[in-house]
Amino acid sequence: GENVEQHPSTLSVQEGDSAVIKCTYSDSASNYFPWYKQELGKRPQLIIDIRSNVGEKKDQRIAVTLNKTAKHFSLHITETQPEDSAVYFCAAPTGGGGYNKLIFGAGTRLAVHP
Amino acid sequence: DGGITQSPKYLFRKEGQNVTLSCEQNLNHDAMYWYRQDPGQGLRLIYYSQIVNDFQKGDIAEGYSVSREKKESFPLTVTSAQKNPTAFYLCASSRPPTGGQETQYFGPGTRLLVL
Repeated sequence: GENVEQHPSTLSVQEGDSAVIKCTYSDSASNYFPWYKQELGKRPQLIIDIRSNVGEKKDQRIAVTLNKTAKHFSLHITETQPEDSAVYFCAAPTGGGGYNKLIFGAGTRLAVHP
Repeated sequence: DGGITQSPKYLFRKEGQNVTLSCEQNLNHDAMYWYRQDPGQGLRLIYYSQIVNDFQKGDIAEGYSVSREKKESFPLTVTSAQKNPTAFYLCASSRPPTGGQETQYFGPGTRLLVL
């Protein structure tokens, strides 16, 4: 089955700097990789996702890159702002086609300091 | 994800008591999921359902039970067999897959505490 590892577990940056969070996965059949942002006490919210037919996807200050050969994908946040402070989770599916189960990484707590 | 509701927001369980967490969605999604989140940790899958009257165990199903009698509802019962139920419980739903995995959207969660 799938195993997802996420690094780092905590990340502290100054406002305006970039932040990068990396996840590795084990199931070479995985084809969908979402990133969720969870603020304290709130629900996880999808911020960006990527499918295995592309190597990079951008949405304003957020980008995700995928390296299928190395089986890792990364979240890049540029020009960080204090409101980016939250816990970020990556995930990857397991189980083949159809409704795959999502396996989540352990999360990265990002702190953006003014 | 505004179309997924969970109730109650907080729930207190006494020793030996079964409690049921509600999850309702009006997104016309076929699949629904229950996750458990412990402090400072990721999400672990308890049960999931791809279609009405069918559901499968996730990674930590022991001590939990579910039903899927209606497409829009997927209640989770935490039984007395679950010895450490204190956690944040999240329900999610997704559309049928069309050529690949579909995005899961989460409800606001229920925080369960043991008295």
